[in-house]
Amino acid sequence: DVKVTQSSRYLVKRTGEKVFLECVQDMDHENMFWYRQDPGLGLRLIYFSYDVKMKEKGDIPEGYSVSREKKERFSLILESASTNQTSMYLCASSPRGQGAYEQYFGPGTRLTVT
Amino acid sequence: EDKVVQSPLSLVVHEGDTVTLNCSYEVTNFRSLLWYKQEKKAPTFLFMLTSSGIEKKSGRLSSILDKKELFSILNITATQTGDSAIYLCAVEKSSGDKLTFGTGTRLAVRP
Repeated sequence: DVKVTQSSRYLVKRTGEKVFLECVQDMDHENMFWYRQDPGLGLRLIYFSYDVKMKEKGDIPEGYSVSREKKERFSLILESASTNQTSMYLCASSPRGQGAYEQYFGPGTRLTVT
Repeated sequence: EDKVVQSPLSLVVHEGDTVTLNCSYEVTNFRSLLWYKQEKKAPTFLFMLTSSGIEKKSGRLSSILDKKELFSILNITATQTGDSAIYLCAVEKSSGDKLTFGTGTRLAVRP
């Protein structure tokens, strides 16, 4: 079974703090993704990575950065957290290839910035 | 701009009812359409559809894709309280592995 884990289920941070969200997958997937999920807006892609040290901006990258030093680990960084970054953050992974593959999701991290 | 629209936004039914959830899309270079179920936490995969007119079925859930009219439906028959969840539709393009998600349909099944 594919397993995607995220470092925290719930996190409370103060405005201006630097925040790290960690994601680890155990299926040797090339692709990893970070989304945020907000009511009425669905899942929106922040960043994704298709290989170690490679990254691409998604639809809403502003205020975020990412790091992928190892294939199994993809980190999302909020350099200076703001209240509008309060959200549910979901990590996902998938294989990379010619076919169509589903993405496997982690349990999510609910971040509150006060 | 790529677009995925789900309807209705929310739905309340009673156990035993049949429901139909809709997903329409506008994307260039379509590859596949995926349905996910999200309860309290991680979305879990239900179906992937790549060809028109071929129904995918899993127990009481089924789904079909119409690539000419650019939509898909997800049917749930004989609903149970355990079907209460947000149902997400997403579209993948052939130019990459990213998914574009709709806003989801929140289904509540009352006993």
